[in-house]
Amino acid sequence: QVQLQESGPGVVKPSQTLSLTCTVSGASISRGGYYWSWIRQHPGKGLEWIGYIYYSGTTLYNPSLKSRALISADTSKNQFSLNLTSVTVADTAVYYCTRETSLRGIGFWGQGSLVTVSS
Amino acid sequence: SYVLTQPPSVSVAPGKTASITCGGNNIGSKTVHWYQQKPGQAPVLVIYYDSDRPSGIPERFSGSNSGNTATLTISGVEAGDEADYYCQVWDSYSDYRLFGGGTKLTVL
Repeated sequence: QVQLQESGPGVVKPSQTLSLTCTVSGASISRGGYYWSWIRQHPGKGLEWIGYIYYSGTTLYNPSLKSRALISADTSKNQFSLNLTSVTVADTAVYYCTRETSLRGIGFWGQGSLVTVSS
Repeated sequence: SYVLTQPPSVSVAPGKTASITCGGNNIGSKTVHWYQQKPGQAPVLVIYYDSDRPSGIPERFSGSNSGNTATLTISGVEAGDEADYYCQVWDSYSDYRLFGGGTKLTVL
């Protein structure tokens, strides 16, 4: 069974960089055909797609984040990460890491990690 | 930019049929997925590729997509179906993914 687990600081100061890591078990992130993505959900609000890293290393981001997001992968640890720079209180959200395919949707989600931006 | 529109809320009596819509310009030409999210939990995929059901999802859940509207239909609604439901579109041209604003399903 594929499992994903987010980890990282629960609080980040404004203007700093939010960094989260997703540890994957039960599947290899370097196996073809899957996108490893980050989704966030602001408190009491809907879901927002942040971006993905493909098994090949290709990345794509939601243009609304204005180039602040960077997703990378460490295949030796079977992990992928999200860095979000210059955060503000508007970046306070639950961040989910996921595995998806374009045609079959997001089949696996992490439990979510609440990140609060606060001084 | 592309916008997906869902009704904020839908209410239905137990045993009846609930229809949750997701509107978007020519959405019928795109691939739509649907997710169920209960309070404090991660979302769960209930319909993918417009109308396919993942294993473990009851047959009561079905989907359709045509023209400017995609629809999630839940027949024989149960109390346990009360949740937020989100549509997601995959744009094959840009490869972007986009979520609708979500619909809260209330079982009366």
